[in-house]
Amino acid sequence: KAGVTQTPRYLIKTRGQQVTLSCSPISGHRSVSWYQQTPGQGLQFLFEYFSETQRNKGNFPGRFSGRQFSNSRSEMNVSTLELGDSALYLCASRPSANQETQYFGPGTRLLVL
Amino acid sequence: QQQVKQSPQSLIVQKGGIPIINCAYENTAFDYFPWYQQFPGKGPALLIAIRPDVSEKKEGRFTISFNKSAKQFSLHIMDSQPGDSATYFCAASKGPGANNLFFGTGTRLTVIP
Repeated sequence: KAGVTQTPRYLIKTRGQQVTLSCSPISGHRSVSWYQQTPGQGLQFLFEYFSETQRNKGNFPGRFSGRQFSNSRSEMNVSTLELGDSALYLCASRPSANQETQYFGPGTRLLVL
Repeated sequence: QQQVKQSPQSLIVQKGGIPIINCAYENTAFDYFPWYQQFPGKGPALLIAIRPDVSEKKEGRFTISFNKSAKQFSLHIMDSQPGDSATYFCAASKGPGANNLFFGTGTRLTVIP
């Protein structure tokens, strides 16, 4: 089975722009979570989607949003980018909302200039 | 507020040594404790996980020790190899339906040949 895939792998944007990141979960997985990883804050939960519905959201501003499609693929969007949004954005999938193990993708490295 | 505290930040051991990474938590609602391994440029990969009803779990060269009363858990890597050089994260979540992992800050392990 193919793992979690994320596109693009690298992205450079400037302050004020917006960005959309994509995640394709492992086939058959219906839950997708997003995390932000930075050297200073570590890995922090952004939100989780299951069956196209957001189940929970971490402590991030409203500039961070996401959605999930009927095929379980997910996108996250960050509007009005700030320098501090530079990070590795990781997507993780699991078969259902009741299974604990999350499988991570390689991440999208976002640099905001 | 860091929900899971991890130490040390970095660790250097000789090949064959047994590095130990420690984590502590406060929230007694946590009942799932995974460890993830991350190589540069890759997403975290699940190594091993434990639930609080057992005090120890082994998978290959990796062992988790769990002390419920102290709210601490640790990862031991037996017969460490240079290929084990990576960053290790402990994490915790609140049950099978929990949709977000709370991560420790990570330990960078270097195994010297």
